[in-house]
Amino acid sequence: GENVEQHPSTLSVQEGDSAVIKCTYSDSASNYFPWYKQELGKGPQLIIDIRSNVGEKKDQRIAVTLNKTAKHFSLHITETQPEDSAVYFCAASQGTGTASKLTFGTGTRLQVTL
Amino acid sequence: NAGVTQTPKFQVLKTGQSMTLQCAQDMNHEYMSWYRQDPGMGLRLIHYSVGAGITDQGEVPNGYNVSRSTTEDFPLRLLSAAPSQTSVYFCASSYSITTKNIQYFGAGTRLSVL
Repeated sequence: GENVEQHPSTLSVQEGDSAVIKCTYSDSASNYFPWYKQELGKGPQLIIDIRSNVGEKKDQRIAVTLNKTAKHFSLHITETQPEDSAVYFCAASQGTGTASKLTFGTGTRLQVTL
Repeated sequence: NAGVTQTPKFQVLKTGQSMTLQCAQDMNHEYMSWYRQDPGMGLRLIHYSVGAGITDQGEVPNGYNVSRSTTEDFPLRLLSAAPSQTSVYFCASSYSITTKNIQYFGAGTRLSVL
């Protein structure tokens, strides 16, 4: 089955700096890569995703890049703010529709300090 | 719109006790799933369902049972709780758009087994 590795496990940045979280996947058939943000005491929430036919996707201060050849994808957060502090999970899946199960990474705890 | 509702939020059990974690969604989603979240291990899939009357095992199904009699509800049963089942449990539901599986998570149930 799919295996997703995520680094680093913890990341501390100063407000205004950039943060980068990296993930690698093992199954070359995976074609959908979402990122979820989990705030304290809440369930994970989708913040951005990318499909395998796209190399980069941006949404305001958040961007995701995908390198299919190397089988890795990254989350980039620019101009970090205290409300970005949370646990971030990457995931990968293959197949289509509701039959496509997600395999999650182990999570990155991001702390944005003032 | 309530989304995905999980009850209870917290539960303490003694070894050998049984209980049911409830999950309900009001978005008419086909797909529902249960995950457990443990420190350093991310989110691991326990069981999932692609529609009423259909369930299947995920990555860590042992010790858990599920059923899906309606589209809205997907309860998770622990028949004989063990300390290894101490964890935070998340229920999720999703709809599909072509190759995406966008999951909506509940707020979680924190379970301690003594």
